[in-house]
Amino acid sequence: KQEVTQIPAALSVPEGENLVLNCSFTDSAIYNLQWFRQDPGKGLTSLLLIQSSQREQTSGRLNASLDKSSGRSTLYIAASQPGDSATYLCAACQGAQKLVFGQGTRLTINP
Amino acid sequence: NAGVTQTPKFRVLKTGQSMTLLCAQDMNHEYMYWYRQDPGMGLRLIHYSVGEGTTAKGEVPDGYNVSRLKKQNFLLGLESAAPSQTSVYFCATQGGNTEAFFGQGTRLTVV
Repeated sequence: KQEVTQIPAALSVPEGENLVLNCSFTDSAIYNLQWFRQDPGKGLTSLLLIQSSQREQTSGRLNASLDKSSGRSTLYIAASQPGDSATYLCAACQGAQKLVFGQGTRLTINP
Repeated sequence: NAGVTQTPKFRVLKTGQSMTLLCAQDMNHEYMYWYRQDPGMGLRLIHYSVGEGTTAKGEVPDGYNVSRLKKQNFLLGLESAAPSQTSVYFCATQGGNTEAFFGQGTRLTVV
């Protein structure tokens, strides 16, 4: 059974810092790895999708990497802004495109 | 372009009552999912569908039923609500090996 873990559970940093969020998974048989953002009381918004054959994906200030052999993915956020404050979730995509989620990292960017 | 629309957004039920949550998508995606999100438990898959007329059980299916009579709609039913079903319910859709799109959620309280 796939298990996805995100560390840390919460992170607070000053504005402008670069930061890394971690995601680990136990079963490397995945189609892709997805990163989402969730604001309080809202649904999930897709940030990045890394196919199983890829090593990384970039979108603006966000960069996500994938190492299937070690069961790890990271989300790198450059030059953090207060608007980046949210909960970030990673999910491993398996058979029937089912997503198995981590518990999320609650990120706070302090002005 | 509405994307994924969930109705209702909020609902309070008494124990033993029934209700149906509706998820509608306009992206012509084959895959549709129902998740529940609970504090400390993350997002867990209830049921899913890989196409019109198909449904399958996810991680936590007990107490729920689903139907996918039309490709664009995925219904989640609670036949006899229990307090343990108090949660936030999210519908999601995916194409083939692509990013998932989520609805805004339904906050359900069972008293």
